[in-house]
Amino acid sequence: GENVEQHPSTLSVQEGDSAVIKCTYSDSASNYFPWYKQELGKRPQLIIDIRSNVGEKKDQRIAVTLNKTAKHFSLHITETQPEDSAVYFCAATTSGRNQFYFGTGTSLTVIP
Amino acid sequence: GAVVSQHPSRVICKSGTSVKIECRSLDFQATTMFWYRQFPKQSLMLMATSNEGSKATYEQGVEKDKFLINHASLTLSTLTVTSAHPEDSSFYICSARDYNLAKNIQYFGAGTRLSVL
Repeated sequence: GENVEQHPSTLSVQEGDSAVIKCTYSDSASNYFPWYKQELGKRPQLIIDIRSNVGEKKDQRIAVTLNKTAKHFSLHITETQPEDSAVYFCAATTSGRNQFYFGTGTSLTVIP
Repeated sequence: GAVVSQHPSRVICKSGTSVKIECRSLDFQATTMFWYRQFPKQSLMLMATSNEGSKATYEQGVEKDKFLINHASLTLSTLTVTSAHPEDSSFYICSARDYNLAKNIQYFGAGTRLSVL
């Protein structure tokens, strides 16, 4: 089955700096990679996703890159703000598979 | 985006009682729903996959007689924690996959915090 690893487990940045979270996956058949943000005590929310037919996707301050050859994908948050503080999860799956395989999460703290 | 409603949001119960948690997809059909357990500051641990009209698929190490799952319709799955004990205290989250396979997106419920005394 798929194995998703996520690094770092914790990350602290100064407000305004960039944050990068990296994930690797093992199953070359995986073709859909979502990122979820979970604030304390709340539900995970999809913030951005990427499919294997593109290498990069951007939505305002958030971007995701995918390297299919190396089987890794990354979340980039620019101009971080205190409200970006949360736990971020990456995941991998295929379009024909029910189950999402989640990374272990990254706790991001943005210091004002 | 789509909405998944999970109820109740918090339960406090005595040891030995059973607790039922509901997960509803409000504006889409979900043939598949997932139940996760999350410990503080840890990742989502998949417990089982709930399939409409058939038996749930449990992950290794999850007792199916302890965590009963029923997926009776395309919009509702329930998780019953039977004879709950303090070690069952946790944050339980459901998610539902959009029936439209092309989307392949999971939407999460708000979670249920279970405290067993």
